[in-house]
Amino acid sequence: DIQMTQSPSSMSASLGDRVTILCQASQDIGKNLIWFQQKPGKSPRPMIYFATNLANGVPSRFSGSRSGSDYSLTISSLESEDMADYHCLQYKQYPYTFGAGTKLELK
Amino acid sequence: VQLMESGPGLGQPSQTLSLTCTVSGFSLTDYSVHWVRQPPGKGLEWMGVMWSGGSTEYNSAFNARLSISRDTSQSQVFVTIKSLKTEDTAIYYCTRYFDYWGQGVMVTVSS
Repeated sequence: DIQMTQSPSSMSASLGDRVTILCQASQDIGKNLIWFQQKPGKSPRPMIYFATNLANGVPSRFSGSRSGSDYSLTISSLESEDMADYHCLQYKQYPYTFGAGTKLELK
Repeated sequence: VQLMESGPGLGQPSQTLSLTCTVSGFSLTDYSVHWVRQPPGKGLEWMGVMWSGGSTEYNSAFNARLSISRDTSQSQVFVTIKSLKTEDTAIYYCTRYFDYWGQGVMVTVSS
């Protein structure tokens, strides 16, 4: 199985901060990666498709990038509504696998 | 587009449990439906998929306890988990290829 190592597991940041969350794939997954945001009691919401493409309706402060097997989700200027859990998913190979998640909290 | 999970909220260890995902706004013959679960306070786990053509794939971590089927006439996808374990306690989601998600259904496995 492809392991998705997500870091950090939790972080606290201030409004206006630039925040980066990382997922590292144990094998090549190309651009077959989705980033999700999940708020308490809610279903996951796709934020980034194909590693770098912003999903419809997602604010432009969110971006995704790839460097080799490292995939990053960046929030350029943190807003209060961004406090949530974030998950990455690889869908290159079965079984599809998620990262362990990152809890983003307000400092 | 809407998806809605339903099923018993409680299951017994060693028994079998089935959940239903009822969809609207799209056809099951055009889109895949995946099942994903989330134990309380933990991360997401991909369970398996019903592809638009009717084929299925499963997460081998379930050791063949899982099956997914569908009734296209009723716009429903079903997931069945055999030999329930307490570790199967989770919120179960169905999703249309990860763009639209149901609200989830909580299942507790306990005697």
